[in-house]
Amino acid sequence: DVKVTQSSRYLVKRTGEKVFLECVQDMDHENMFWYRQDPGLGLRLIYFSYDVKMKEKGDIPEGYSVSREKKERFSLILESASTNQTSMYLCASSHRGQGTGELFFGEGSRLTVL
Amino acid sequence: KQEVTQIPAALSVPEGENLVLNCSFTDSAIYNLQWFRQDPGKGLTSLLLIQSSQREQTSGRLNASLDKSSGRSTLYIAASQPGDSATYLCAVRRDQAGTALIFGKGTTLSVSS
Repeated sequence: DVKVTQSSRYLVKRTGEKVFLECVQDMDHENMFWYRQDPGLGLRLIYFSYDVKMKEKGDIPEGYSVSREKKERFSLILESASTNQTSMYLCASSHRGQGTGELFFGEGSRLTVL
Repeated sequence: KQEVTQIPAALSVPEGENLVLNCSFTDSAIYNLQWFRQDPGKGLTSLLLIQSSQREQTSGRLNASLDKSSGRSTLYIAASQPGDSATYLCAVRRDQAGTALIFGKGTTLSVSS
């Protein structure tokens, strides 16, 4: 079974803390994505990566960075968390240039910044 | 810029009813369209994927259709059940490479017993 695993389902952090959200996929997918989901705003793309060490900004990259040192792992970093980053964060992955391009999601990480 | 719209935002039906969820997109140059289900507080689960060359896909009680020329897709759910209650999202992909999907905001379905 395909699997995208997000390391933490629920996190509570304080303003100014550095936050790491980890995502691992076991499908040998080239593409990996980080979205955030907020009521009324839907899913918005933060960053995506199409290969190791490669990254592309999405629609709302401000305040975030990413790291992809290994093909299976894509990390989202909040350098200095702020209350407006309280949200549901969703990681996803897909093949690139082959297959159907079907997108698979993890279970999500609910972050609360106090 | 591609925009994806899902109407209605919410829908309530009694158990057993057949229903249709709608998805429209502004740019017909898509690679594929994918329907997802999301339960409260959870991630998205892929339901059906339709390639641009296909007209429909079926899985159990679900049938998704695609009309690229008119920029529309529908998700048909037959004989709805309370367990079908969830938010349904559609998303379109522009090409086979690394571009991200563009999502609609979803339709929240409630099926009462």
